[in-house]
Amino acid sequence: AQSVTQPDIHITVSEGASLELRCNYSYGATPYLFWYVQSPGQGLQLLLKYFSGDTLVQGIKGFEAEFKRSQSSFNLRKPSVHWSDAAEYFCAVDSGTYKYIFGTGTRLKVLA
Amino acid sequence: EAGVAQSPRYKIIEKRQSVAFWCNPISGHATLYWYQQILGQGPKLLIQFQNNGVVDDSQLPKDRFSAERLKGVDSTLKIQPAKLEDSAVYLCASSLVLAKITDTQYFGPGTRLTVL
Repeated sequence: AQSVTQPDIHITVSEGASLELRCNYSYGATPYLFWYVQSPGQGLQLLLKYFSGDTLVQGIKGFEAEFKRSQSSFNLRKPSVHWSDAAEYFCAVDSGTYKYIFGTGTRLKVLA
Repeated sequence: EAGVAQSPRYKIIEKRQSVAFWCNPISGHATLYWYQQILGQGPKLLIQFQNNGVVDDSQLPKDRFSAERLKGVDSTLKIQPAKLEDSAVYLCASSLVLAKITDTQYFGPGTRLTVL
């Protein structure tokens, strides 16, 4: 069965520092991969998605993610974090059935 | 373009009561999803509609949960009777079509349900 693991429940970074959020998936073939962000009281907003092709994917708000098949990972990165990036981040996988399996999320705190 | 609308935003009920949530997807979106997000967890798909037909409801607790999407637009999700473990945020999402894997799901703000 598919699964998604986000090993970090909470991450704290200083404003201006770089960020990497980890995501590992379990699936036999190459899945379709997504990162969503959820601000308090808001719905989920899509940051970026990977379907095929270039393994480095650019998204909105300066985020990028790299698909590494050998590590079954799809980590999210940002070179310089802004205070407004404080939110919860979810990685999701779709095996092609149009059903997303979400990870448990990583809550990001940004220090001024 | 307007996003996915949901109401109410918050609901507090006592166990064994019934509750209903409403979702209005993005105009023209054929596919609609209901997710349950329990505190500390990621969203879990409950039911998936294509127009007014159910595509997948395998994770919907059918003894107490029901959902419909009349006329292929708005949808309602009902819980009757509610249990304490139903306390969660209920998210509605929509996408343009089901058959296109590159399509994106757009989420509404959710309804936070508290069962006392």
